[in-house]
Amino acid sequence: SQQGEEDPQALSIQEGENATMNCSYKTSINNLQWYRQNSGRGLVHLILIRSNEREKHSGRLRVTLDTSKKSSSLLITASRAADTASYFCATDEANSKLTFGKGITLSVRP
Amino acid sequence: GAGVSQSPRYKVAKRGQDVALRCDPISGHVSLFWYQQALGQGPEFLTYFQNEAQLDKSGLPSDRFFAERPEGSVSTLKIQRTQQEDSAVYLCASSLVRGGTYNEQFFGPGTRLTVL
Repeated sequence: SQQGEEDPQALSIQEGENATMNCSYKTSINNLQWYRQNSGRGLVHLILIRSNEREKHSGRLRVTLDTSKKSSSLLITASRAADTASYFCATDEANSKLTFGKGITLSVRP
Repeated sequence: GAGVSQSPRYKVAKRGQDVALRCDPISGHVSLFWYQQALGQGPEFLTYFQNEAQLDKSGLPSDRFFAERPEGSVSTLKIQRTQQEDSAVYLCASSLVRGGTYNEQFFGPGTRLTVL
């Protein structure tokens, strides 16, 4: 079963614009992670935010976490064509395994 | 250093055939995970090892699925009497620590299994 649900399912933007993706989950978590997947490089870890953190930055990525609403958002600023991929949120409920959502397909038009 | 590697990258099996999928984790990583990813879906957890111990196999869909990691390094996922619904990409991941707060998992490229 999949715990996370990403929103929107698909997103198409122009290069240089910002992309915002949302994730909702159902149970208490230890941390939440975002991954990117494309055919060329497989599934790549982007960023991890712990349950006691509210916001985290890494390069052009900004992730927020609202545990009261059981939701997270991933912001990619100044998008590039190379950001075109599927993005997944994954929750860790402190039992080590990750529970992934269905993913968001991001297309960045040059 | 080398990342997680998996072999074969592609496998075509006839229904009823047994298959074995191999995962080489990053050297020194304690934890190893197997996930199944159906087309258009996110990965779903199958099983988890800490060193050679299989601590969680709750995600294995049936008793046709079996995983092992006998020396705490390389792992093999075996599927017996394959069915068409087993067609998916099988992903292996490893992480340095035992889990918990810093459970960043590093994924291999996956094995795409097609059952005819």
